[in-house]
Amino acid sequence: AQKITQTQPGMFVQEKEAVTLDCTYDTSDPSYGLFWYKQPSSGEMIFLIYQGSYDQQNATEGRYSLNFQKARKSANLVISASQLGDSAMYFCAMREGRDDKIIFGKGTRLHILP
Amino acid sequence: DTGVSQDPRHKITKRGQNVTFRCDPISEHNRLYWYRQTLGQGPEFLTYFQNEAQLEKSRLLSNRFSAERPKGSFSTLEIQRTEQGDSAMYLCASSRLQTDTDTQYFGPGTRLTVL
Repeated sequence: AQKITQTQPGMFVQEKEAVTLDCTYDTSDPSYGLFWYKQPSSGEMIFLIYQGSYDQQNATEGRYSLNFQKARKSANLVISASQLGDSAMYFCAMREGRDDKIIFGKGTRLHILP
Repeated sequence: DTGVSQDPRHKITKRGQNVTFRCDPISEHNRLYWYRQTLGQGPEFLTYFQNEAQLEKSRLLSNRFSAERPKGSFSTLEIQRTEQGDSAMYLCASSRLQTDTDTQYFGPGTRLTVL
């Protein structure tokens, strides 16, 4: 079974609109961490935001927020006021328990339209 | 802090040749990770080091692959007798072990093409 599922292979969004990128995860470990990374065409993985499984509040970092719904095992990324520079691949990822590696989803390619 | 750096950024080689990649982590980061990313996929874990100790290796890491981090600073990933299936982006990441996030920061990657 997939540990991280991103169901949107691609999305087109008008500039300045908000966008939600979906992510669901699968784990039986009560302790885990969820990450979102951005990968522009240059290839570098850029860390955006982190949510711990015990965090009481949804994580926010500037225009990025993580809509964490623990019971649904959902960790959607919300980008407010999208910009042309947001066009990239976005990966949801998880680290389980005391495991050290990160498991990535297959990504969503986001296109911001002018 | 300067970010994670990787060298070379691109490598083209012929099948059967050996290649070596280098990764310099963020200074004072004691953990270093190698991932492989093929086209259309997310990165897949290969191996990681805490200081100079290699603590975990994925089964993706065949015996043609070897990684070292001799002084606990930079790391090298060597692929012997390359195959066309080794063509991929090889990503390095580093982190500083903490009790909360232990966020991994990635380098720009080395894109390998095996002809």
